[in-house]
Amino acid sequence: GAGVSQSPRYKVAKRGQDVALRCDPISGHVSLFWYQQALGQGPEFLTYFQNEAQLDKSGLPSDRFFAERPEGSVSTLKIQRTQQEDSAVYLCASSLDGGGNTEAFFGQGTRLTVV
Amino acid sequence: AQRVTQPEKLLSVFKGAPVELKCNYSYSGSPELFWYVQYSRQRLQLLLRHISRESIKGFTADLNKGETSFHLKKPFAQEEDSAMYYCALSPSGTYKYIFGTGTRLKVLA
Repeated sequence: GAGVSQSPRYKVAKRGQDVALRCDPISGHVSLFWYQQALGQGPEFLTYFQNEAQLDKSGLPSDRFFAERPEGSVSTLKIQRTQQEDSAVYLCASSLDGGGNTEAFFGQGTRLTVV
Repeated sequence: AQRVTQPEKLLSVFKGAPVELKCNYSYSGSPELFWYVQYSRQRLQLLLRHISRESIKGFTADLNKGETSFHLKKPFAQEEDSAMYYCALSPSGTYKYIFGTGTRLKVLA
């Protein structure tokens, strides 16, 4: 595919359920980012990978959030024991390198609703 | 604290009128600033970055370090400019973006 692909596009989870969100970055992109976008807000940084290494997870809101990118391509964001405050759009982005001035390409996002 | 402020949630203008979307930032160093745009049912995409000093789709943005602003301007708005616009800051030497809350631009016929 030509762009960043995220699945599922929509996810409804019962409170307490575990969820896994997938991101397929642009082929060859070294850097991968996850952002969380609550309703009416801008995206907020969660975590950053350079290849398979998770270099920054400072934005993860709690230890219920876990992200991995084991082979340096596809990434999964896992949320355990979901809470209502986890309801948001989760955006994945990738870039060719990690430079601050490098354009990040965003996926369509996964809209998570916790009921 | 590093912060991006977009004071207007919604901006409505008539077609052909000038547009200015405001963005102010708080950062002690030399920031790298961007405007991202999200058209209806499309993904977030880069519109322009300050370091390139470019004009994309007729939009320009000038970094004013004295006023810590990076306002987005277009002299004549078009209906297809209707979208959500996000200003973003990338602290120098880092890779992450700090986004504002966004401004929805509606261009009326």
